[in-house]
Amino acid sequence: KAGVTQTPRYLIKTRGQQVTLSCSPISGHRSVSWYQQTPGQGLQFLFEYFSETQRNKGNFPGRFSGRQFSNSRSEMNVSTLELGDSALYLCASSLEPRTDTQYFGPGTRLTVL
Amino acid sequence: GENVEQHPSTLSVQEGDSAVIKCTYSDSASNYFPWYKQELGKGPQLIIDIRSNVGEKKDQRIAVTLNKTAKHFSLHITETQPEDSAVYFCAAVSGGTSYGKLTFGQGTILTVHP
Repeated sequence: KAGVTQTPRYLIKTRGQQVTLSCSPISGHRSVSWYQQTPGQGLQFLFEYFSETQRNKGNFPGRFSGRQFSNSRSEMNVSTLELGDSALYLCASSLEPRTDTQYFGPGTRLTVL
Repeated sequence: GENVEQHPSTLSVQEGDSAVIKCTYSDSASNYFPWYKQELGKGPQLIIDIRSNVGEKKDQRIAVTLNKTAKHFSLHITETQPEDSAVYFCAAVSGGTSYGKLTFGQGTILTVHP
């Protein structure tokens, strides 16, 4: 079974731009979560989607948003990019929200110049 | 909300030795505790997990123990090998409405010297 896939793997943007990252969960998994990983803050939860609905959200500004499609694929968007948004963005999928076991993709490395 | 503390931040061992990483959590409602291994350039890989109704779980050279009273859990790796070198993260999930939210520890850089 294929794992979680994320595209693109690398992105370079400039301040003020916006970016969209994509995540395809493991086949059959219906829950998708997003995390930001930085050297200073570690791994931080962004949001979680199930059945096309955001079920939980972390402490990030409104510039960070996401959505989930009917086939469980998910996208996250960051608008008005700041230098501090440079990070590895990780997507994780699980069968259902309450099954808890999450499997991570390889991440998208975003660099903001 | 939940807070997870992880120690040590770096751990260096000789091949064949054991390695122990410890985590404490703050929310007594937390009920699921996974451990992830992250290698350079890759996403975190689940290596073992434990639920709050179990005190210990083993998978070959890896074991996890949970002490709910003290609110801490530990990862034990025996007979370490150079390929065990990576960053290890503990995490916790609270019950209730914490859908899909893993709260991670700060990570431990494990180096196994041949």
